[in-house]
Amino acid sequence: NAGVMQNPRHLVRRRGQEARLRCSPMKGHSHVYWYRQLPEEGLKFMVYLQKENIIDESGMPKERFSAEFPKEGPSILRIQQVVRGDSAAYFCASSPPGRGPEAFFGQGTRLTVV
Amino acid sequence: AQSVAQPEDQVNVAEGNPLTVKCTYSVSGNPYLFWYVQYPNRGLQFLLKYITGDNLVKGSYGFEAEFNKSQTSFHLKKPSALVSDSALYFCAVRDIGPAAGNKLTFGGGTRVLVKP
Repeated sequence: NAGVMQNPRHLVRRRGQEARLRCSPMKGHSHVYWYRQLPEEGLKFMVYLQKENIIDESGMPKERFSAEFPKEGPSILRIQQVVRGDSAAYFCASSPPGRGPEAFFGQGTRLTVV
Repeated sequence: AQSVAQPEDQVNVAEGNPLTVKCTYSVSGNPYLFWYVQYPNRGLQFLLKYITGDNLVKGSYGFEAEFNKSQTSFHLKKPSALVSDSALYFCAVRDIGPAAGNKLTFGGGTRVLVKP
């Protein structure tokens, strides 16, 4: 059973471009969470999705950021018109239904905006 | 709202000595607590969790954590540290509420440096 897969591992974008980060959850996991880690800081929750539904997006910036988890395919975190302050590591975690099991994290996508 | 505090930015310890990484929490209701470790340029790896039961929880790589309800603490411990334990450690609490799923609130992290 492969772990949570994120790609790309590293992404460089110029200011104003779009960044698309992908997350494939573990097999059997239908819940996906996105977190952002700014340099030398802890992880901050961004959004919680289930298949085709956004459950909690309280941590998402109001503008330029969006997330989806379609019925088929990976979850996508999309950042439009990136700025230097978007440079961070973005981690995805997945868990199965229910609150018992812990969430498993991917290795992250490191976004650098130049 | 729940919160997690890791009061030490960095902990230095000599190899072979005991290691303790501190964590305190604030949550209404029964807490679900976690420790994760992050090695350089890697993702987070799960170490252990407390949901209910024994206050002393044993986890991966020889780590354990003690849940103390009266002190609202969940300190991570290892009896004998290894150089390879040098990493960034995060304490986290799972959000409460029926719609929270496995959403976590993280502490700011503690960097552990184990010197040979």
